[in-house]
Amino acid sequence: AQKITQTQPGMFVQEKEAVTLDCTYDTSDPSYGLFWYKQPSSGEMIFLIYQGSYDQQNATEGRYSLNFQKARKSANLVISASQLGDSAMYFCAIDFGNEKLTFGTGTRLTIIP
Amino acid sequence: SQTIHQWPATLVQPVGSPLSLECTVEGTSNPNLYWYRQAAGRGLQLLFYSVGIGQISSEVPQNLSASRPQDRQFILSSKKLLLSDSGFYLCAWSGDLAETQYFGPGTRLLVL
Repeated sequence: AQKITQTQPGMFVQEKEAVTLDCTYDTSDPSYGLFWYKQPSSGEMIFLIYQGSYDQQNATEGRYSLNFQKARKSANLVISASQLGDSAMYFCAIDFGNEKLTFGTGTRLTIIP
Repeated sequence: SQTIHQWPATLVQPVGSPLSLECTVEGTSNPNLYWYRQAAGRGLQLLFYSVGIGQISSEVPQNLSASRPQDRQFILSSKKLLLSDSGFYLCAWSGDLAETQYFGPGTRLLVL
């Protein structure tokens, strides 16, 4: 069965430190797409970063990077130099090749000043 | 650039009343459209998606329905709301089924 696991329900990080949000998944399909979304308290889901399962290099978008380890079925989000505005829920989502997004349960990140 | 709108932003409805939530997309044509529901403190559950006018795929059997009367308009409806329909409803669009989905601001629905 295709499944996504985000093991950290909540994290507290000091401002300006780097933070890694974990995401592991289970699939037997070789082709899939990995997404990370941010959901601030306003509720809107904001797209952060994408990685294709066949991409050779890890994706980066500004302060966001995706630590993709295909053999481990892991797609962790790394936020460098965290800011107070990074406080939000973060969701890992995967298109398992069935053209729909399956979401994890999310991690609530709180940045401490 | 593309924008996605949802209304209303919040809604309080009694049990058994009808529901109509609207989602519209601007700046693109023939988008794929999606309705999700998010229960409090939970992840997103896909309810419906549409690849074109009049084409609706349902993911979860329930008392909700969706319609796409125009290319960039997606409507979520119910004839009789249940308490369990309370939640945060998000509409999203993508250029293709395998592409990144972009979300609207959402509608908070409380059924009393």
